[in-house]
Order: sequence, then C-alpha cells, then structure tokens
Amino acid sequence: QVQLVESGGGLVKPGGSLRLSCAASGFTFSDYYMSWIRQAPGKGLEWVSYISSSGSTIYYADSVKGRFTISRDNAKNSLYLQMNSLRAEDTAVYYCAAGRMKGAYFDYWGQGTLVTVSS
Amino acid sequence: VIWMTQSPSLLSASTGDRVTISCRMSQGISSYLAWYQQKPGKAPELLIYAASTLQSGVPSRFSGSGSGTDFTLTISCLQSEDFATYYCQQYYSFPPTFGPGTKVDIK
Repeated sequence: QVQLVESGGGLVKPGGSLRLSCAASGFTFSDYYMSWIRQAPGKGLEWVSYISSSGSTIYYADSVKGRFTISRDNAKNSLYLQMNSLRAEDTAVYYCAAGRMKGAYFDYWGQGTLVTVSS
Repeated sequence: VIWMTQSPSLLSASTGDRVTISCRMSQGISSYLAWYQQKPGKAPELLIYAASTLQSGVPSRFSGSGSGTDFTLTISCLQSEDFATYYCQQYYSFPPTFGPGTKVDIK
C-alpha cells in the first residue's frame, strides 16, 4: 500500500538547521509531483515547497524562500527538505504530500514530523 | 495569491444529519478545487478533486459541487467517523492555497 514516512523533525534553536526526509513506497515515486506542507499547532494547512517529478522545477512559499531547500532522489524514492535559519514561526508538523498531476491536489500524505523551534 | 474562506468555521451536528460546508474564492478557479478530511493527530486525506470527483474509496455520502468562486461539500448522512476538520484547496494557480478549515463536531 502507499506509504509516505517522514523523519528528521525535532527541537532546534532559532537560527539552527534541520533536514527532513520522506521515504515513499507503494507507488511509482518518480511519476509524482511532491510537496512539503506544514501545519502550525492548532492552525490550518500551509503549502511550503514543491518539486516536479524529475526535480527540474522547484517552488517555495515566500515565507521560506532563501532558507529552505527541497530535493528528491528518485533512485531512493525519497524527498528531502533542508531547513536553515529556522525561526519560531517555522514550528509546525511538516507533511510530505504526493500528487499525480502537476501543481494540483495531493493524493497521498505522510503522517507528519514535528519541528519545534525554541530556545 | 488566491484567498479562500470557509463557512461555518465550526459546525455542530448529530449522526444522521445532512451537513453542508461552503468554500469561497477571492477569484474564479473554474473547478480546480479539492476537499480534504483531517482527524485529530492525523494527516489530511483527499476526499474530492475537480470540485465534484470522489476520490477512490471515499464513501458516496460525500459529494462536492460548485465552480468559479463558490463551492460546497455535502455529507448526506453524517456518520460517527465523519467528525473531523474539513479543508478546501485550490489548485487553479500557484501557490496552492487551503481554506481555514471547518470543524464538524458532535452536537
């Protein structure tokens, strides 16, 4: 069955860095467009970053541009998010999500990994 | 950026009720709208895409309608497992944006 499993979350001080990973299985990862979406505690959903199936096209939300870097390794069926210069407002559950169609809806979601930015 | 509102933000209902959730866009998006269900501590799950197409495996009591700027999610006969928060999402233009959510709880 389809699985997306995030890892790499944790507690980090403001200004610090974390690298999130998302391991995919049960579907043809290289055919899917991938995104990171976050949800601050008690809040709604916020799209963070997008990468095309080949990795050639990447977009970021303005709130993370210049600080976060998305990447993927289709040979390893994995998605990554390098997060630098973290701020308190980056505290959230980070979900990886997969879509069959470019820039569309999200068919599959991981269970999420919590990132807490606090001193 | 396309902004979205959902109403109501909180809906108290009973099992067996017919419930309707509204999602309104700041500009027209044709039918490029999806609906998700999220239960506490869980990831969102896709219910409907293209405004009215039911995702595989989603019960037929869920339905979606609308186009342009006004959309509706209807649950025809609320079941206990349907108490959750529902989000709409537009994918007409980048970045994809989500509505603020509608929590359906037990009356």
